Amino acid sequence: AQTVTQSQPEMSVQEAETVTLSCTYDTSESNYYLFWYKQPPSRQMILVIRQEAYKQQNATENRFSVNFQKAAKSFSLKISDSQLGDTAMYFCAFIGGSQGNLIFGKGTKLSVKP
Amino acid sequence: DARVTQTPRHKVTEMGQEVTMRCQPILGHNTVFWYRQTMMQGLELLAYFRNRAPLDDSGMPKDRFSAEMPDATLATLKIQPSEPRDSAVYFCASGLVDRADFKGNEKLFFGSGTQLSVL
Repeated sequence: AQTVTQSQPEMSVQEAETVTLSCTYDTSESNYYLFWYKQPPSRQMILVIRQEAYKQQNATENRFSVNFQKAAKSFSLKISDSQLGDTAMYFCAFIGGSQGNLIFGKGTKLSVKP
Repeated sequence: DARVTQTPRHKVTEMGQEVTMRCQPILGHNTVFWYRQTMMQGLELLAYFRNRAPLDDSGMPKDRFSAEMPDATLATLKIQPSEPRDSAVYFCASGLVDRADFKGNEKLFFGSGTQLSVL
């Protein structure tokens, strides 16, 4: 069975600084997708970034980028120039093979301090 | 902007009462998921539907939970009878899936959730 592990329950960063959130996963699938979702206090789940496993190039979306290490089964999220609005829970998620649903990690609570 | 609508946003009820949560997926989406979020377990898949047919409800306690899609514009999740351990946030998500399984090419849109408290 696939699993997703986020080892940092909470993190904080100063505004304008850079922070990296960790995620590891376990799977026997060769083709899969990985995601980072953001959940602010409003509870809304927002897709931040997506990575296809067959692509070696790391995905980027403005200030958000990932470091995808397929052999190590690692998928970290880097937030550059952190903003107060980045304060939220961040969830790493996986989907692969014939599976039909997203498996989520337990989340990392990120606080951006002024 | 199109969005997934969930009602009610909050629900407080007493143990033993029936609870019904509703979800209106985005028009044209053919796949609907129900997730439950708790501090201890995180986000757990309860059930999902494609073209209104249930594909997987293995994450759902069968004795008290039921999920249906009476039509393409409405998905329901019902708990009868409710118990304090059911207290959680319940999310609905919808997407347009072209192939037999969701592979991630398609975007999945989440509703704002129903916060359920069973006393």
